[in-house]
Amino acid sequence: NAGVTQTPKFQVLKTGQSMTLQCAQDMNHEYMSWYRQDPGMGLRLIHYSVGAGITDQGEVPNGYNVSRSTTEDFPLRLLSAAPSQTSVYFCASSRQGANTGELFFGEGSRLTVL
Amino acid sequence: QQQVKQSPQSLIVQKGGISIINCAYENTAFDYFPWYQQFPGKGPALLIAIRPDVSEKKEGRFTISFNKSAKQFSLHIMDSQPGDSATYFCAARVGGSNYKLTFGKGTLLTVNP
Repeated sequence: NAGVTQTPKFQVLKTGQSMTLQCAQDMNHEYMSWYRQDPGMGLRLIHYSVGAGITDQGEVPNGYNVSRSTTEDFPLRLLSAAPSQTSVYFCASSRQGANTGELFFGEGSRLTVL
Repeated sequence: QQQVKQSPQSLIVQKGGISIINCAYENTAFDYFPWYQQFPGKGPALLIAIRPDVSEKKEGRFTISFNKSAKQFSLHIMDSQPGDSATYFCAARVGGSNYKLTFGKGTLLTVNP
């Protein structure tokens, strides 16, 4: 039972480079989201999706792009990496429905931008 | 603005003691208050959650106390164990939006043997 799978686990980029963080879930969850975790800042929502073809911005969307072509996949793109994007990124999925608010998180992708 | 305020930032407890982490919120549209536990190198995982129509929820050694009038809720870990050492996040959800939790800044709990 894989749950939410994120790749890569670690990545080092130079300023200005682009890359995509991959996220896949096998639970057929409607909702998916990306958070970043920084020391002393908790988890902050970057982008989210309520279904295939539907995405929206969260609290800290600048510098990131997302798309959701399938229920399973929700990649996060950094178009021109900046040192301020050094962080640990978590992808999460959840099931639609008011009675189940649980988010299922991946194990994270640690990104360093030099 | 920070919608969920969590304290303390770090906490050291002796084995067998009680760990208490507090959170406060402003948005009365929040309808679900989960706590997440995160071990180093892992993603957060749901620990326990409560709805605002309940004042207390207990699961094993973990209890959430909820004070709706004060807009505060807290996590109590009874008989704390070294294996409980982790970062704990409180969170809040606006009306059914499971995809959009607002998290506190986290509390690093260390339980000494």
